[in-house]
Amino acid sequence: AQSVTQLDSHVSVSEGTPVLLRCNYSSSYSPSLFWYVQHPNKGLQLLLKYTSAATLVKGINGFEAEFKKSETSFHLTKPSAHMSDAAEYFCVVSESTGRRALTFGSGTRLQVQP
Amino acid sequence: EAGVTQSPTHLIKTRGQQATLRCSPISGHTSVYWYQQALGLGLQFLLWYDEGEERNRGNFPPRFSGRQFPNYSSELNVNALELEDSALYLCASRAGVETQYFGPGTRLLVL
Repeated sequence: AQSVTQLDSHVSVSEGTPVLLRCNYSSSYSPSLFWYVQHPNKGLQLLLKYTSAATLVKGINGFEAEFKKSETSFHLTKPSAHMSDAAEYFCVVSESTGRRALTFGSGTRLQVQP
Repeated sequence: EAGVTQSPTHLIKTRGQQATLRCSPISGHTSVYWYQQALGLGLQFLLWYDEGEERNRGNFPPRFSGRQFPNYSSELNVNALELEDSALYLCASRAGVETQYFGPGTRLLVL
C-alpha cells in the first residue's frame, strides 16, 4: 500500500520569500511522485514529477522538488514566492504498475502575503 | 493541443435523482480516471477506464458507475444521489504509463 503525508495544512509566506511545502511518502515499490496545484475553483495542474531519474526535479513556475529516498521525502520548494502562487498544493504518489491510480496527500494551502 | 474537458461545469440535483457527468480526454489518451474531491475527505480515486473497459474502482458503492465510449470519452453516472455526493468530480486522462492530466472538474451539488 502507498500513502502520502503532507506535513502542513497551511503555509503562509511573504511575497519574495522562499516557499517550502513538505511531503513524506510511503510506497512498497520505487514510486512515481508528483506535485499538483489547484487554484480556487479550478482543476489540478501538474507542477512537476519524479520518475526515478534525477533526484532534483524542476517544474513549472520556478518550483522544484528533491526526492530523498533515505528520508522518504519529496518536499516542494521555490526560491521566491509570487502572489499568483497562492493555491492548494497536493503531493501525489502513483502506483508503479497496474491501475496506476493516484493517491493524494491532504493538501497544503499556500497563502502569500503582500 | 486541447486539454481534458468536462461538462457540465456545475450541476444541481435533488436527493434521489441521477447525475451524469462527461469527460473528453486529451487526444491520443486511452485511459480515463475519475476522482471525487469532497469537502473534508480530500481527493479519492473513483473509477478507471481503459480501452472501453472498466479496469478498477475505488472504495465507492455501485451506484457510482460509468462507461467509456469508442472515442475514449467517458461518462460518470451517480444514481440515487445522496447529500454527501456533493463534491467536485475530476476527470483525468493518461496515455500509456505517462502522467495523468486533469480537467477543470464538474461541481455537483445535491440538495
